[in-house]
Amino acid sequence: GDSVTQMEGPVTLSEEAFLTINCTYTATGYPSLFWYVQYPGEGLQLLLKATKADDKGSNKGFEATYRKETTSFHLEKGSVQVSDSAVYFCALTGEGGAQKLVFGQGTRLTINP
Amino acid sequence: DARVTQTPRDKVTEMGQEVTMRCQPILGHNTVFWYRQTMMQGLELLAYFRNRAPLDDSGMPKDRFSAEMPDATLATLKIQPSEPRDSAVYFCASGSDSRAGQYFGPGTRLTVT
Repeated sequence: GDSVTQMEGPVTLSEEAFLTINCTYTATGYPSLFWYVQYPGEGLQLLLKATKADDKGSNKGFEATYRKETTSFHLEKGSVQVSDSAVYFCALTGEGGAQKLVFGQGTRLTINP
Repeated sequence: DARVTQTPRDKVTEMGQEVTMRCQPILGHNTVFWYRQTMMQGLELLAYFRNRAPLDDSGMPKDRFSAEMPDATLATLKIQPSEPRDSAVYFCASGSDSRAGQYFGPGTRLTVT
């Protein structure tokens, strides 16, 4: 079945550092790919998405590119802020219109001032 | 700015009591999901509906949990009787298209003593 594997956390960085959180997936065909963010005490928020190969999703300075050849969707940000501290989830929905999300295990990110 | 709403936000109850959680999906979304999140198990899909019909409830303990959609604007998750192991944050999410992703509510934090 479909699956998502994320970089293990927790990840701790200093403010203004470059961030990469790795995400790889296993799925048939062309899934849609997502990054969600969960701030403490809140629900998951859709951060960005990409629906076809080579698409780049971006939002709030975060980017991720749908790489079919490496089955990856790594999350990047050039300069992180303390307010980016949260848990980040990579996820996919399979082909065929089913909306069920398959999540990675989540990566906890802490940014120190 | 359309949002998924959930009530109550917090619920503390004693073991054996009935608990009902409510969710109002985003208007126009035809699919509703219920998730449970705990530190130990992470994010688990309990059940989901499309056009108010249950599609999959295999993630739910059948003997005590039930999920319904009385109408397109309301989804309910009921636990009867509740047990301490049900303590978790319960999220509702809604969506309309597998490529658009799901939108999560703020969650109901349930504590069963």
